Parts: sequence; structure tokens; C-alpha cells
Amino acid sequence: NAGVTQTPKFQVLKTGQSMTLQCAQDMNHNSMYWYRQDPGMGLRLIYYSASEGTTDKGEVPNGYNVSRLNKREFSLRLESAAPSQTSVYFCASSYAGQGVYEQYFGPGTRLTVT
Amino acid sequence: AQSVTQPDIHITVSEGASLELRCNYSYGATPYLFWYVQSPGQGLQLLLKYFSGDTLVQGIKGFEAEFKRSQSSFNLRKPSVHWSDAAEYFCAVAGAGNNRKLIWGLGTSLAVNP
Repeated sequence: NAGVTQTPKFQVLKTGQSMTLQCAQDMNHNSMYWYRQDPGMGLRLIYYSASEGTTDKGEVPNGYNVSRLNKREFSLRLESAAPSQTSVYFCASSYAGQGVYEQYFGPGTRLTVT
Repeated sequence: AQSVTQPDIHITVSEGASLELRCNYSYGATPYLFWYVQSPGQGLQLLLKYFSGDTLVQGIKGFEAEFKRSQSSFNLRKPSVHWSDAAEYFCAVAGAGNNRKLIWGLGTSLAVNP
């Protein structure tokens, strides 16, 4: 049981390049999330998917797109990377049913845009 | 609006000393509260959660937290800190509605002196 996995672990991009961050979970969770973490700013939600087939914007969606490929996988795409997108990106997942459930996090992707 | 405040950005304690990390929340209804820990270079791990019932919650790694509705607080405690507890600690509250989003504090960085 791997939990939440993310690839790649590290990435360096030049301004204007594109890339896709991959996330997969094997816990049969319905909901998945993408966060970015920057020093002094905590965790900020980029996009989330409450269930398979749905996606919604979080608080900082500009410059990103997402795809909920199936129940297991939720990818984050940077179409034209900018230095402001240098950050650590975390994927998370949670069960979705009656009530509230904790989120489980992946190990993160450290992205540098030069 | 819902919010979470962690008043201490950075705390240093000596190994073996007791620890209390503060968390205050703003939320109109009964809150669902979480504490997560992030070790350097790692993802976030759930320490404990409060949904209802006993206001003193036990978690992993010897941590506990107490929910005090009158003070809108959910402070994290540990009686004797170990060097391995040095990490970033995040408090979160589940937002209203069915979207399962968490509202995060900005975190408290804990350093442990030998």
C-alpha cells in the first residue's frame, strides 16, 4: 500500500516550458487535491477534485490546469512555467462520504523555474 | 470567514522539556480540527484530529491536543520533547459545505536543543 505517490520528486524548468506533475493514490479515495507550499505562506490550495469527473479551483489556480484521469490519478499541468511557480507541490487525497475526513499527503515535488 | 491562526511562527525548546503549540480558529459551527507534522523535506503526516466527543484527543508520537470551544482553540501538547520532534506543525480546520477543503494555519516551526 503506497498511499499517495508523486512524480517527479525534483524538476528544474526554464521560463515558458511546460510540464505535468503526476499524482496517484491507492487508498480508493474519492477526493484529491493539489497544494503549493512556499516559505511563510503555508499550504495554498491550487485545485481539487471532490470526486471522479469533477474539478474545482482553489485559492491560487492561475497558471495551472488539472485532470482527474480516473479515481486513482490527478495530474497538475503548468502550461507556461514562470519563476513565481517555483515552489514545493503536494498532492493529497481523502475519503469522501458523510462527514469530514483527513487528507493524506504525498512526498512532494520540488519545482524550480529559472 | 473561516480562518486558522498559529500565533507562534518559531519555537525552540530543550530536549525533554514540555511543549505546547497554539492554534486558534474562527468557525461558526462545530469545527473539525486537525494537526499535521512535516519533517524537513517530507510530506505532511496527520498527528491527530478532533471531530466530536472527548475534548482531549490523543495522537501519534505521544502528542495530544485539547479542544476548547470557549477559547476557539485546539492546542497541541507533548510532555517531553525528543530531538526527532523538530519539524513544522500545521493546524487545520475543515471548511463548511461538502467540498472537504481544509483551512490551514501558516505553521509553527519547532527546533529542539540537545
